[in-house]
Amino acid sequence: AQTVTQSQPEMSVQEAETVTLSCTYDTSESDYYLFWYKQPPSRQMILVIRQEAYKQQNATENRFSVNFQKAAKSFSLKISDSQLGDAAMYFCASQEAAGNKLTFGGGTRVLVKP
Amino acid sequence: SAVISQKPSRDICQRGTSLTIQCQVDSQVTMMFWYRQQPGQSLTLIATANQGSEATYESGFVIDKFPISRPNLTFSTLTVSNMSPEDSSIYLCSVEGGGTGVYNEQFFGPGTRLTVL
Repeated sequence: AQTVTQSQPEMSVQEAETVTLSCTYDTSESDYYLFWYKQPPSRQMILVIRQEAYKQQNATENRFSVNFQKAAKSFSLKISDSQLGDAAMYFCASQEAAGNKLTFGGGTRVLVKP
Repeated sequence: SAVISQKPSRDICQRGTSLTIQCQVDSQVTMMFWYRQQPGQSLTLIATANQGSEATYESGFVIDKFPISRPNLTFSTLTVSNMSPEDSSIYLCSVEGGGTGVYNEQFFGPGTRLTVL
């Protein structure tokens, strides 16, 4: 079974600065996928970024990028040029294969200070 | 991405009653998932619902408590039966791919906030 751990319950960042969220996971599979989801107060889950485990290149989506360290089973999210709208809960998640369930970490609350 | 709607968006129910939550997708999808998010917690999968077959439940969740229907490729319902205050949660449905052809991406509905008194 997969497990996902987010060790930071809350992170605070100044507007326009950079913040990095940590995530570690455990899986026995060789083929899997990793995700970061954002959940604002509206509670809508929004996919921020995804990473295929077989790809060595780190995924990027505009101001969001990941640092995927496969051997260490680490998958951190970096938010650059933080904006007030980035304030939300962020969940790291893993999926063992297509069509399988997502396993979520406990979440990290991001606060953005103006 | 797929557009997913859920009804109701929120409800307040009395203990011992049942509530059925609907999930509608704007495209045909094979796999639909139901998650529970208890207050201040992360998401936990309740079951996977495929059209034409029985739902597959995760450990700790049973069909008698959370019956699921999947009558076609765009619709599913989750019923929370014989509710107690411990069932107060946000219930979210999600779909895989959603007609975009992009697999290994799950899209979520807006959630149903359930409060049981």
